[in-house]
Amino acid sequence: DGGITQSPKYLFRKEGQNVTLSCEQNLNHDAMYWYRQDPGQGLRLIYYSQIVNDFQKGDIAEGYSVSREKKESFPLTVTSAQKNPTAFYLCASSVGPGELFFGEGSRLTVL
Amino acid sequence: GENVEQHPSTLSVQEGDSAVIKCTYSDSASNYFPWYKQELGKRPQLIIDIRSNVGEKKDQRIAVTLNKTAKHFSLHITETQPEDSAVYFCAAGSDSWGKFQFGAGTQVVVTP
Repeated sequence: DGGITQSPKYLFRKEGQNVTLSCEQNLNHDAMYWYRQDPGQGLRLIYYSQIVNDFQKGDIAEGYSVSREKKESFPLTVTSAQKNPTAFYLCASSVGPGELFFGEGSRLTVL
Repeated sequence: GENVEQHPSTLSVQEGDSAVIKCTYSDSASNYFPWYKQELGKRPQLIIDIRSNVGEKKDQRIAVTLNKTAKHFSLHITETQPEDSAVYFCAAGSDSWGKFQFGAGTQVVVTP
């Protein structure tokens, strides 16, 4: 099956810890994205990558880091510098600047 | 940067009636306007999109209209069914990659 796989689906973190969310796609899409979703708010762009070994900050990149070593993979690290990390995180990919294909999401809760 | 406002935040309709969701955008460079549907606990999925070179697009019970002059676009769902219940997001973007700005979402509830 082609698609985007995010893991873990649920994650709990203590304050001060870094956590990494995994995102893998087998759609052969060039571009990948990370969005954050909070209740009552739209999706907000954290980082995106158009090509391997290159990525750009989105609107809310502070406290997050990414890497794009392989076309298929775009992991997101939520660092201890992120002041309010509890949220639903969505990874997406696209062939170009058009339709986004989303993963199932990862829900991060900081205890 | 782009700013997208979406109204209403919640919409309750009787099955069979129509639903309309409206969005406005600020960046005149935006030329691509998708609509995503997110059912409870599931991923957002594209349901329809429109580019700035057309004013209206239809797909069965769903239609989107675009007014470039006024910088607003709307989603119309006719003959609503219970399975239309979901959160709907509008978005605006340009040919610049990853530059989608999403609206805050509209919770649509279709009651039988």
